[in-house]
Amino acid sequence: KAGVTQTPRYLIKTRGQQVTLSCSPISGHRSVSWYQQTPGQGLQFLFEYFSETQRNKGNFPGRFSGRQFSNSRSEMNVSTLELGDSALYLCASHPPSGTQYFGPGTRLLVL
Amino acid sequence: GIQVEQSPPDLILQEGANSTLRCNFSDSVNNLQWFHQNPWGQLINLFYIPSGTKQNGRLSATTVATERYSLLYISSSQTTDSGVYFCAVSQGGSEKLVFGKGTKLTVNP
Repeated sequence: KAGVTQTPRYLIKTRGQQVTLSCSPISGHRSVSWYQQTPGQGLQFLFEYFSETQRNKGNFPGRFSGRQFSNSRSEMNVSTLELGDSALYLCASHPPSGTQYFGPGTRLLVL
Repeated sequence: GIQVEQSPPDLILQEGANSTLRCNFSDSVNNLQWFHQNPWGQLINLFYIPSGTKQNGRLSATTVATERYSLLYISSSQTTDSGVYFCAVSQGGSEKLVFGKGTKLTVNP
């Protein structure tokens, strides 16, 4: 089976812009979760989607949003980018109550 | 919320040495995973181990759920084992993973 894929892998944006990141889960997995990794805060949970419904949301401002499509692919969007949004964004794909498998991540740099 | 503490924060070994990484968690969990983060940032799944003992080659892990800790053992370490090792847990009916701060392992030739 192909693993979790994330696009793009690298992204440079300027403050105030918005960005959309994409995640394609492992075939057959209907759950997708998103995490942000920064040197200061470590790995933090953003949100989880299952069958197109957001099941759980982390403690992030409303500028961070996401959605899931009927084929289980997920996107996350960050609007009005701030310098502090520079991070590695990781997507995980998993069956219910099972092992979570992570994609390679998207490195976002906000200038 | 649940707290996850990993120790030691940094570990430097010579190739061939053995090591033990520890993960303490503050509440009961329904999922515990160990990951190795490679130099490009990807989290590689090592073990899904909410309880019991598992082995995979030179790596093994033990989780004692009643005492709220897990151990990751690396034997005969190699330079390719270098990187950051994370422990992550979830609890209740949630799939949300809460990560520790990681142990940075450096294996010197």
